Amino acid sequence: AQKVTQAQTEISVVEKEDVTLDCVYETRDTTYYLFWYKQPPSGELVFLIRRNSFDEQNEISGRYSWNFQKSTSSFNFTITASQVVDSAVYFCALSEIASYGQNFVFGPGTRLSVLP
Amino acid sequence: SQTIHQWPATLVQPVGSPLSLECTVEGTSNPNLYWYRQAAGRGLQLLFYSVGIGQISSEVPQNLSASRPQDRQFILSSKKLLLSDSGFYLCAGQGGGSNEQFFGPGTRLTVL
Repeated sequence: AQKVTQAQTEISVVEKEDVTLDCVYETRDTTYYLFWYKQPPSGELVFLIRRNSFDEQNEISGRYSWNFQKSTSSFNFTITASQVVDSAVYFCALSEIASYGQNFVFGPGTRLSVLP
Repeated sequence: SQTIHQWPATLVQPVGSPLSLECTVEGTSNPNLYWYRQAAGRGLQLLFYSVGIGQISSEVPQNLSASRPQDRQFILSSKKLLLSDSGFYLCAGQGGGSNEQFFGPGTRLTVL
């Protein structure tokens, strides 16, 4: 069965520090997707990135970067030069192809606090 | 891209009262739709998903039910609320060529 682990429950950093959020997943499928979502205090989950299992290229978007490594089943998320607005709960998620479409599994989330 | 609407944004209900939360989708046809619950400070728990009109799958046996009367409408209901039904309810949609889920703004339910 699929599973997503985010071992860091809470992280606190001071503004401008770099921070990496860890995500480890388990799946038996060879075709799957990985995602990161941000949940700010308002509550709505905001989609950040999707990666499919055949694309191990790392991605950078502004201050955000993602490191996908199939060998270690990890999909880590780094925020460079963190800002107070980055404070949120971040969820890593995995989806596999199911008979009806896609089956999504979310990790427990990591609460990031960026202090001024 | 698709947009997920949810209402109400907040709700305070007494124990034993009924519940109806509505979710509607814009921007895509025949989406897969999902209801999640998030307890305070916790992760997401999948409650129901639907692949089409009238098709509902339940992930967790509980006091709640879901219905999909129209392609872009997904309703979460209860006949009698329990204290344990308090939480943040999120509706999500997936489809229209995208592999990711898009989420609505959520409904914060407090049962007193």
